[in-house]
Amino acid sequence: AQSVAQPEDQVNVAEGNPLTVKCTYSVSGNPYLFWYVQYPNRGLQFLLKYITGDNLVKGSYGFEAEFNKSQTSFHLKKPSALVSDSALYFCAVSYNFNKFYFGSGTKLNVKP
Amino acid sequence: DSGVTQTPKHLITATGQRVTLRCSPRSGDLSVYWYQQSLDQGLQFLIQYYNGEERAKGNILERFSAQQFPDLHSELNLSSLELGDSALYFCASSPRPNEQFFGPGTRLTVL
Repeated sequence: AQSVAQPEDQVNVAEGNPLTVKCTYSVSGNPYLFWYVQYPNRGLQFLLKYITGDNLVKGSYGFEAEFNKSQTSFHLKKPSALVSDSALYFCAVSYNFNKFYFGSGTKLNVKP
Repeated sequence: DSGVTQTPKHLITATGQRVTLRCSPRSGDLSVYWYQQSLDQGLQFLIQYYNGEERAKGNILERFSAQQFPDLHSELNLSSLELGDSALYFCASSPRPNEQFFGPGTRLTVL
């Protein structure tokens, strides 16, 4: 079975501090992994993806994620959080680019 | 703006009714995906079309159907609506397999 888990419904962090939003996956074969962000009343916006190659992936708005095959994780990180980063973050996994499986989402609250 | 358009933005209807949601992909994108986002089930993949042909199916109910037309726009048809069908419905278009651009969504409310 293919699935992706975001264990935290909500993450709270102070502005300027580093942030981590966790994602683990369970996919047979080699997964393709994605992070999306959703602002209120908007569609999802692509942040970054891991397809192959370097395990550390850099994306939009200063975000990065590290693919860890042994831990089946793809955590989203940012060295210094901004208030404007507050949004809903989704991790997604695909095996063949035909079906995409999304996590339940993590609400990120960055406080000034 | 992702370049993907969805109409209508909001739809309010009654149980038992049928509605059609429309998606226009970005120019040149052959692939369209449909998703349902509800509070209790998160974002769920429904179905994918590529150049008019169904490519993959996810958790799509038998009461729901979709199609992609020769001009590449897609429609999602929801029939015999139930209260639990109330959700945000997103489509995404894709120029290549590992990239999706999401539309703004259609918010469906079933009363």
